[in-house]
Amino acid sequence: GQQLNQSPQSMFIQEGEDVSMNCTSSSIFNTWLWYKQDPGEGPVLLIALYKAGELTSNGRLTAQFGITRKDSFLNISASIPSDVGIYFCAGQLTARQLTFGSGTQLTVLP
Amino acid sequence: DAGITQSPRHKVTETGTPVTLRCHQTENHRYMYWYRQDPGHGLRLIHYSYGVKDTDKGEVSDGYSVSRSKTEDFLLTLESATSSQTSVYFCAIRGLAGETQYFGPGTRLLVL
Repeated sequence: GQQLNQSPQSMFIQEGEDVSMNCTSSSIFNTWLWYKQDPGEGPVLLIALYKAGELTSNGRLTAQFGITRKDSFLNISASIPSDVGIYFCAGQLTARQLTFGSGTQLTVLP
Repeated sequence: DAGITQSPRHKVTETGTPVTLRCHQTENHRYMYWYRQDPGHGLRLIHYSYGVKDTDKGEVSDGYSVSRSKTEDFLLTLESATSSQTSVYFCAIRGLAGETQYFGPGTRLLVL
């Protein structure tokens, strides 16, 4: 099946710093999604990308759909303590299934 | 909120016993999904449904069955639970906007 490589696996950053994480795939996708998961909760959708090359922002979050359709990145600017959590990328080719990355654990230090 | 609830939220059971998890949506969406989440594996699709009585297997369907007799409910059954099925189970629905999926709060299952 399709595989998504998400990196880094974990990050420790100081409050106020910018963060960048990315996902790459050996296969193309038609849609890229970024989710955040807090402890004990389900993943919450942050940003959805539908076109190759698309750059979309949601507050301090910015994500891009790679031109090759095989990668995507997520940037968080000026991190704050509530940014702590696990961030997942997900790619979709058909209408029925998402393929998830293994997640990036973000820790924000005061 | 995507209008998804899961029940129970936590369950402890013994090996060999049957277990049924319920996902309920109030959004009248056609597509529903069951995932399991394990450390190091992210979220993996177990089964999905594309309508009442229409279901299909996902990546890790062995040992699981599903049923969808009403649009709003999608049931996941472990016929004979095993310790390898200890996991956190998430239900999701597919929204009307594009391909996005919205997740429920999860069910934590421990099989002893």
